[in-house]
Amino acid sequence: DSGVTQTPKHLITATGQRVTLRCSPRSGDLSVYWYQQSLDQGLQFLIQYYNGEERAKGNILERFSAQQFPDLHSELNLSSLELGDSALYFCASSSLNRGTEAFFGQGTRLTVV
Amino acid sequence: LAKTTQPISMDSYEGQEVNITCSHNNIATNDYITWYQQFPSQGPRFIIQGYKTKVTNEVASLFIPADRKSSTLSLPRVSLSDTAVYYCLVGGMDSGYALNFGKGTSLLVTP
Repeated sequence: DSGVTQTPKHLITATGQRVTLRCSPRSGDLSVYWYQQSLDQGLQFLIQYYNGEERAKGNILERFSAQQFPDLHSELNLSSLELGDSALYFCASSSLNRGTEAFFGQGTRLTVV
Repeated sequence: LAKTTQPISMDSYEGQEVNITCSHNNIATNDYITWYQQFPSQGPRFIIQGYKTKVTNEVASLFIPADRKSSTLSLPRVSLSDTAVYYCLVGGMDSGYALNFGKGTSLLVTP
């Protein structure tokens, strides 16, 4: 158990809909990262937050947005969903005193039909 | 951000030692070198991290030459359960501790 909790584990929704994925980081970790992994693809970095502030942004679509709340949990919002958005979405958390050692959640598998 | 290059795939037999080398020519002074393991449909798992020389833990060793332009992850006596994708990352304070995963090395261990 990595200590990072992602909900829901599975999500099936229709094209054009909007969903919210939730991530609770390990206790004490201030950094949260979001990744997208499509079938047989690598991990695509979406966005990173540190203590509520956006720190880095990757190839995140304009239809996607995220935030980190004062209690440090984070949410990734995906809107106007397309078939191509079907993927595993991972959240990771880390603490700056651990360098680039991060802990990943088990992911949310999103299926858009 | 420093780019990493590692073999796309490797094969090994059970019980062998496996060495996966990663090239990172543009590594910054403050960058760490970190390796992750990922099984299908699971989140990556941290294996080992180092800055220079050699680091060893209960599952792997990481060898880093003096110029830090490459690193080698060594997995002693692999088993079938070590079949996974292995990612090499470099990053640190200068890059905001970004975790940029490349394509990784797909390791297949067979009996």
